[in-house]
Amino acid sequence: AQSVTQLDSHVSVSEGTPVLLRCNYSSSYSPSLFWYVQHPNKGLQLLLKYTSAATLVKGINGFEAEFKKSETSFHLTKPSAHMSDAAEYFCVVSVLGTYKYIFGTGTRLKVLA
Amino acid sequence: EAQVTQNPRYLITVTGKKLTVTCSQNMNHEYMSWYRQDPGLGLRQIYYSMNVEVTDKGDVPEGYKVSRKEKRNFPLILESPSPNQTSLYFCASRDPRDSASYNEQFFGPGTRLTVL
Repeated sequence: AQSVTQLDSHVSVSEGTPVLLRCNYSSSYSPSLFWYVQHPNKGLQLLLKYTSAATLVKGINGFEAEFKKSETSFHLTKPSAHMSDAAEYFCVVSVLGTYKYIFGTGTRLKVLA
Repeated sequence: EAQVTQNPRYLITVTGKKLTVTCSQNMNHEYMSWYRQDPGLGLRQIYYSMNVEVTDKGDVPEGYKVSRKEKRNFPLILESPSPNQTSLYFCASRDPRDSASYNEQFFGPGTRLTVL
């Protein structure tokens, strides 16, 4: 069965410092992996996606994620946090050929001035 | 503008009073889905539809119904709402044939439902 685990429910960083949001997945087959962001009282916006092409995926707003099959991880990073990055982030797995999506429980990112 | 719309955005109702939350997309997507979001649980899939007249259960379908009579619309029906269905609901769509946005879902703005 597929599953996704976001290892931190809350992360706090200072503005200008690096961001690391951790995600581990479990999938029997080749997964598609996504990171979505949800700003307060807003819908979900796609940050980036991995679909078996390059293992280092670049997304919007300076975010990137690296797919590591050996570690079953898809961690989200950003070199320098901005106040506008404060939001909730969701890691999502979708198995090729299915119509089901599994969301992680989310990581709330707080950016301190 | 390509988008997924939901109505209403906010709804307060009472236990047992039937309600419908509408979802519409203008991207000619075949696939549509409903999720509920609860604190600490992320988003959980309620129902999804692969095409017109084809629907299937997600992970938490109990207490919900859906119908897909037209490609653009996918309403969520609560025949007899209960307080444990108080949640934030999202509709999403995607076109599985579009390789440029492979597997990407587009989400609506959400509907916040409170059942008293």
